[in-house]
Amino acid sequence: DTEVTQTPKHLVMGMTNKKSLKCEQHMGHRAMYWYKQKAKKPPELMFVYSYEKLSINESVPSRFSPECPNSSLLNLHLHALQPEDSALYLCASSQDSTGDQPQHFGDGTRLSIL
Amino acid sequence: AQKITQTQPGMFVQEKEAVTLDCTYDTSDPSYGLFWYKQPSSGEMIFLIYQGSYDQQNATEGRYSLNFQKARKSANLVISASQLGDSAMYFCAMREGLTPRRLAFGKGNQVVVIP
Repeated sequence: DTEVTQTPKHLVMGMTNKKSLKCEQHMGHRAMYWYKQKAKKPPELMFVYSYEKLSINESVPSRFSPECPNSSLLNLHLHALQPEDSALYLCASSQDSTGDQPQHFGDGTRLSIL
Repeated sequence: AQKITQTQPGMFVQEKEAVTLDCTYDTSDPSYGLFWYKQPSSGEMIFLIYQGSYDQQNATEGRYSLNFQKARKSANLVISASQLGDSAMYFCAMREGLTPRRLAFGKGNQVVVIP
């Protein structure tokens, strides 16, 4: 079992739906990340939160909206997604954002857009 | 420009044998860190091992060791005594940039362990 918990594990949604992905960690980490991963490709960074503040947005379309309600939780709100957004979405956390400590990943949410 | 290079095609490894996964990197920063992650078909990314650029010794973690050759800019992962559960995609990654630092991932190496 991973120490970063992501829900749901699978999500199928239509292009007009609104849904949210959730990520939780209780390791006291102060940096949290969202990645998108297509099959047989490396993860692509989407967002970084450091001490609950958005510090990196990798030019992600506005149909993806991140939120960090507190130091343990990270959400990704989805609205009006496109079929090409179907992918594995990984959440990760690390002690801080200096990069000196490894990122710990959740199991991911497999998202399918109909 | 690609900063992490993993060029090996998919590999088949006999159970109980050792396997080496190649990783070369490119950076002008004297301070950097290299990570290896394992991703089974189930999807989770599992941290395996870390090597800092100033570390004097090669990192080891159980059956995993890192063959770090700084002058060649290579950080190869060695898995000893392969097990069936080692079948996975393996990613080499390097931290880069200013804080908050990103991880630059290589394209990955697919390993299949056969009995």
